[in-house]
Amino acid sequence: AQSVAQPEDQVNVAEGNPLTVKCTYSVSGNPYLFWYVQYPNRGLQFLLKYITGDNLVKGSYGFEAEFNKSQTSFHLKKPSALVSDSALYFCAVRGPLSSNTGKLIFGQGTTLQVKP
Amino acid sequence: DAGVIQSPRHEVTEMGQEVTLRCKPISGHNSLFWYRQTMMRGLELLIYFNNNVPIDDSGMPEDRFSAKMPNASFSTLKIQPSEPRDSAVYFCASSRFAGGVGTGELFFGEGSRLTVL
Repeated sequence: AQSVAQPEDQVNVAEGNPLTVKCTYSVSGNPYLFWYVQYPNRGLQFLLKYITGDNLVKGSYGFEAEFNKSQTSFHLKKPSALVSDSALYFCAVRGPLSSNTGKLIFGQGTTLQVKP
Repeated sequence: DAGVIQSPRHEVTEMGQEVTLRCKPISGHNSLFWYRQTMMRGLELLIYFNNNVPIDDSGMPEDRFSAKMPNASFSTLKIQPSEPRDSAVYFCASSRFAGGVGTGELFFGEGSRLTVL
């Protein structure tokens, strides 16, 4: 079965400091991994994805994520946090093409709080 | 592109009433998903369609919930009768996915906030 874990309910960081939001996954075969962001009273917005290739993926708003197969992790990172990055972040996984029809499994979400 | 369009954005109703939520996916997308978000349970997948056909409805809470997709540009999620525990934000999302083709990122609507009194 596919699953995603986000071990931290909340991450607090000072503006200008680097941030990391953690995600680990469990899936049979090679995963497709995604990060989404949700601002208050809004829908989820796609940030970035890992499909194949380079383990470091760059996405929107200066975010990046590193795929680590041995640790089954896909942590979201940003070198310098902004107050406007404060939001709810979701990690999601999809199984191999041969065994699914596009369904994404989402983690529970991590609230990122960036303080001035 | 207008994105995924959901209506209504807010709905307040009384227990026992019928609720219908609507979704218009992005043109050209062939997969459609209904999610429910609550503080307690997070983001739950209720049902999804591929090419207008329901693929997996195992997340639908009970028989009070039903979803239809009569054509590629419209879907409804109906709750009848509604109960206070159905209060949540309901999201519709769409993607382009066909038999293994496509990387499958979802595009979400702004959600329908349902309050059942």
